[in-house]
Amino acid sequence: KQEVTQIPAALSVPEGENLVLNCSFTDSAIYNLQWFRQDPGKGLTSLLLIQSSQREQTSGRLNASLDKSSGRSTLYIAASQPGDSATYLCASKSTDSWGKLQFGAGTQVVVTP
Amino acid sequence: GAVVSQHPSWVICKSGTSVKIECRSLDFQATTMFWYRQFPKQSLMLMATSNEGSKATYEQGVEKDKFLINHASLTLSTLTVTSAHPEDSSFYICSARALLTVGKTQYFGPGTRLLVL
Repeated sequence: KQEVTQIPAALSVPEGENLVLNCSFTDSAIYNLQWFRQDPGKGLTSLLLIQSSQREQTSGRLNASLDKSSGRSTLYIAASQPGDSATYLCASKSTDSWGKLQFGAGTQVVVTP
Repeated sequence: GAVVSQHPSWVICKSGTSVKIECRSLDFQATTMFWYRQFPKQSLMLMATSNEGSKATYEQGVEKDKFLINHASLTLSTLTVTSAHPEDSSFYICSARALLTVGKTQYFGPGTRLLVL
């Protein structure tokens, strides 16, 4: 069974610093990997999706990398802002496009002004 | 586009009562909807997958008689928590999968917070 782990569980940085969030998964046979943002008491907002054939995806200040062989994905957020404060979740989709999403427990990020 | 709504956004009920949560895809047809549960500081755990017009498939350890799921149309799925108890207090999130998109993308609702007293 796929297990997804996110380290650290919580992270606090001053505004302007770059953020590095880690996600690891035990089964490298994934279809894709997705990063989400969750604000307190809210649902999920999709940030980036990396297909298994891709190495990275970028959107604005966000960059996500994927290394299937080592079972790792990393989300980089450049020049963090207080508005980036949220919980970031990664999720892997198994086997094919119909597969289930397996979520990590998330990294809670606080960016201080 | 691709908006999923949930109603209510939060609910408080007494122990032993039943609570119904609605999940709607507002601008697309969703043949499949997913129900997740999230406890504080924990990840989303898939409870069940429902396909329009058929019975839901429950994950191991989820009581199907307690968590009733109905997916009667391509835009609506409901989760009913029957005889709710305090341990059922949680954040329930639904997700809808759009059929006609590459990769069968899932779109998530804003969640429903349930507190059972």
